[in-house]
Amino acid sequence: QLQLVQSGAEVRKPGASVRVSCKASGYTFTSYYMHWVRQVSGQGLEWMGIINPSAGSTSYAQKFQGRVTMTRDTSTSTVFLDLSSLRSEDTAVYYCARDSYSSEYTWDYWGQGTLVTVSS
Amino acid sequence: DIQMTQSPSSLSASVGDRVTITCRASHPITRNLNWYQQKPGRAPKLLIYAASSLQSGVPSRFSGSGSGTDFTLTISSLQPEDFAIYYCQQNYNNPPTFGQGTKVEIK
Repeated sequence: QLQLVQSGAEVRKPGASVRVSCKASGYTFTSYYMHWVRQVSGQGLEWMGIINPSAGSTSYAQKFQGRVTMTRDTSTSTVFLDLSSLRSEDTAVYYCARDSYSSEYTWDYWGQGTLVTVSS
Repeated sequence: DIQMTQSPSSLSASVGDRVTITCRASHPITRNLNWYQQKPGRAPKLLIYAASSLQSGVPSRFSGSGSGTDFTLTISSLQPEDFAIYYCQQNYNNPPTFGQGTKVEIK
């Protein structure tokens, strides 16, 4: 069945970088855009950006420009989120989410989430 | 960015109750509005897209309506598994943005 499986929890110090992976299975990886959405503990949801797994093209939320990079590996059907210059406010659960067939920027399948903790 | 405002922030209801949650956009978004349900420790789940289209596999007690700036999510008869946080999200323009959430609790 369709699954998005993310990498495990990470702990980083302020100023460091982190990579989160999201492995897709059960569908044609290159046929659906993938997004990253984060959720600060107990708070709302925030869109970070989108990657086209076929072309590798990306678009990022202005808030994260310069600190975020999204890439993909088509051989393993995996997308990656790299976030640099981490600060305490980046402590959050990070989700990958697949674009729906029916509507753009609508997410019908989500990864299980990856907790990134930034603490000195 | 388009601001999405939900009301109420939380509500208490009983099993079998009819529940309505509203979402207001700071600018008109036609019908580009989605609703998600999130349970503790879980990823959000898509319920409604394009304001009123029911996502496959979602029970028919969930419905959505509205256009422009004002939208509603209705649960016709609340079930025990519906206690969760509900979020609206606009996909009219970039960046997509979410409401702050409405927590539905057991009375």
